Amino acid sequence: DAKTTQPNSMESNEEEPVHLPCNHSTISGTDYIHWYRQLPSQGPEYVIHGLTSNVNNRMASLAIAEDRKSSTLILHRATLRDAAVYYCILRDVDRDDKIIFGKGTRLHILP
Amino acid sequence: DTEVTQTPKHLVMGMTNKKSLKCEQHMGHRAMYWYKQKAKKPPELMFVYSYEKLSINESVPSRFSPECPNSSLLNLHLHALQPEDSALYLCASSPQGAVTEAFFGQGTRLTVV
Repeated sequence: DAKTTQPNSMESNEEEPVHLPCNHSTISGTDYIHWYRQLPSQGPEYVIHGLTSNVNNRMASLAIAEDRKSSTLILHRATLRDAAVYYCILRDVDRDDKIIFGKGTRLHILP
Repeated sequence: DTEVTQTPKHLVMGMTNKKSLKCEQHMGHRAMYWYKQKAKKPPELMFVYSYEKLSINESVPSRFSPECPNSSLLNLHLHALQPEDSALYLCASSPQGAVTEAFFGQGTRLTVV
């Protein structure tokens, strides 16, 4: 399974943008980049995913490097409710049923 | 309905007990998952079912026995567990692999005494 590397923790101020990085230097051409987050005492929830192009949805934006060896999850205006562990996950379309979590980034939001 | 429902929310069981965890989804998803999560750790994949058949077993001890009676229901049967098996057990479902999102339940908090 291709691996991802994320910072253990990050801090951000409320109402400011947050950029969460993820390195995946061994990514293959068939890997989709997925982001999930887990709020305290809850199950993980889907945030966004992409293959090559940048993606936007109501929760966040995903910026993917041109060589696909890294990506950045962007929360445009962080709120206290965004405090969570954020997981960057690669899902291989040829082995598409596996969802393997790495250690993730614990995001702290300062009021 | 975009929910994955897990019951019970909490379970305390003795090491000689037999119990079952239940997971239900009515989104027509073909893949269903069991994960184990210890405190402050990421979820660890245990089992994957695809079209009601077991497709992935991540070398889970036999005291954990999954079952998929139909396309909406996933069970995890527990027998002779150890205290170190105490954890949050998460269920998830997904429609069609890497190009789609997975939906997770809120988990069952299991304590083995």
